[in-house]
Amino acid sequence: GAVVSQHPSRVICKSGTSVKIECRSLDFQATTMFWYRQFPKKSLMLMATSNEGSKATYEQGVEKDKFLINHASLTLSTLTVTSAHPEDSSFYICSALPGLRTLNYGYTFGSGTRLTVV
Amino acid sequence: AQTVTQSQPEMSVQEAETVTLSCTYDTSESNYYLFWYKQPPSRQMILVIRQEAYKQQNATENRFSVNFQKAAKSFSLKISDSQLGDTAMYFCAFMRDNQGGKLIFGQGTELSVKP
Repeated sequence: GAVVSQHPSRVICKSGTSVKIECRSLDFQATTMFWYRQFPKKSLMLMATSNEGSKATYEQGVEKDKFLINHASLTLSTLTVTSAHPEDSSFYICSALPGLRTLNYGYTFGSGTRLTVV
Repeated sequence: AQTVTQSQPEMSVQEAETVTLSCTYDTSESNYYLFWYKQPPSRQMILVIRQEAYKQQNATENRFSVNFQKAAKSFSLKISDSQLGDTAMYFCAFMRDNQGGKLIFGQGTELSVKP
């Protein structure tokens, strides 16, 4: 149980366009989802916390207008990279916290999305 | 602010041998959770083991065990009988009890298991 599906796994987009990444909890309700960014051979950097039905909370230094997060249902959160530039190229990972579980269960992570902006 | 430090960027071990990955953290909280995650070449994050700070007993999961030293703020991972499939990036992570579930990751240790 506790499966998180992330789509697409890879995407290439042109500079200046927008791209949407979806994160779905398949067999549980996720009141909270998190979005991370990871550079090659580096750690995961938390970008924002997504709460169902409310505005996302962004970490310091993350541009809210560039990385739009929407958590419209208990099973879906989306990250939209707007007006993408080559420096936005990265690996993006979502994770979900099952609402009914205690925190010490840890998270379930999506399989990640490799974004390349050309 | 909490920080998590993994001082070993790369490690290698021979198959069937034992290896220990180190992790230290800094916090003023008394209750928190610690995790080790594995990220193989597929880049899927996999939970290896977890530890609640209020529990003195070290967590174990089959070949994986931790040495949790709360006073020293140390949380090392021991992998026994290393297997080729253990080759991966390993991340130590910290989570406060009252911060809505935010994970803070260490820099990672790239472990190679050699045949």
